[in-house]
Parts: sequence; C-alpha cells; structure tokens
Amino acid sequence: GENVEQHPSTLSVQEGDSAVIKCTYSDSASNYFPWYKQELGKGPQLIIDIRSNVGEKKDQRIAVTLNKTAKHFSLHITETQPEDSAVYFCAASRDTPLVFGKGTRLSVIA
Amino acid sequence: EAGVVQSPRYKIIEKKQPVAFWCNPISGHNTLYWYLQNLGQGPELLIRYENEEAVDDSQLPKDRFSAERLKGVDSTLKIQPAELGDSAVYLCASSLGRGADTQYFGPGTRLTVL
Repeated sequence: GENVEQHPSTLSVQEGDSAVIKCTYSDSASNYFPWYKQELGKGPQLIIDIRSNVGEKKDQRIAVTLNKTAKHFSLHITETQPEDSAVYFCAASRDTPLVFGKGTRLSVIA
Repeated sequence: EAGVVQSPRYKIIEKKQPVAFWCNPISGHNTLYWYLQNLGQGPELLIRYENEEAVDDSQLPKDRFSAERLKGVDSTLKIQPAELGDSAVYLCASSLGRGADTQYFGPGTRLTVL
C-alpha cells in the first residue's frame, strides 16, 4: 500500500520568512496530493491540493509543487505570519482514502 | 454551509466501558470516513462509507469496534469494551463522492480511557 514520509517533523521560522515542507510517497499510481493544516483542538483543514496532471499550484502565500518522477511534493509558505503556526499534514491518494504523513509542527516566531 | 458535526467533543471513560461517537456529514456528501488520530501522528482510516454501505473497513478492529450509517446520512462509531490504547482523537470526514474528492473533517472527539 501507499506510504507517505514527511519532513521535517518540526520547523521554526521567523515571521516573514518562507517555510518549506517536503513529502515523498511510494505508490507511483497516486494522483491526488492534498495538504491539511491542523490547529490545536480542531480537525484538519484543507489548505491546498494538487493533482497528478499539474506540476505546481499557487494560492496567495501558499504553493505546492509535485515531481511525479521523483515521487515527492512540497508545500511552500511565503511571508509567514504567526497565524500560520500549526501542524501541517501531507497526504496521497489513488482513488482510495488518503494516506497521511506524520505531520510537521510549524512555529512562526514574531 | 455547515461543516461536519461531531459529538461529543471530549469523552473520558474507564477501561472496559462502552463509548459511542456521532457524526453528521456535510449535506449532500455521499462518502463518510472515520479516522483515528494518535498523538503526534497523522489520521489513519478506520472505515469508509459510500452512502449506507461500508466499502473499506479493513483497518477497523472488528472485535471491539463497530460502525453504522443508517439511511446514508449520519453515522455512529462504537467501541465496546474500550481499552487504554484506544485513547486518541476520532475524526469524521465527508466528501461529495469517492476517491480523490476533497475530504472535509470535523473537529474530532478526544477519547481518554482511564
């Protein structure tokens, strides 16, 4: 089955700097790659997703890139703000339920 | 539009007691998921429903866990009897269709088994 590895497990950045989180997946047939943000005491919230026919997608300060050959995808957050502090999860899917990474705890220091 | 609703938000029970969690998905969403999230981990699928049919329950520990989705709308997940290792957050999610459709998560139920 699918296996998703996520790095780093923790990340601290200064406010205004960029943050990058990387994930690799094992099933080359996976075709859907969402990113979720989870704040304390809340459920995961979708922030951006990408499908296998697209290499990059951007939404304001957030972007995701996908390299199908290398089987990895990354989340990029620019101009980080304190409210970006949360746990971020990547996931992969091939027409089946999502397989999640273990999460990255992002801390944005003001 | 109302999101996925779960109750209770928190539950504390003693081991060997039964417990039940309830989920109401987003209106019109045919697919419903129950996930388990251990501390410091990502969600792991327990069971997936398409309408009222359980189509993927391979990760559900069937000796103590059961679930139902009567009428294809809300769903209940039950544990009987609960064990110490069941302490976790139980998340419900729903999507319009199946497969690679966007999944929307509820706030979860945090279960503590003493």
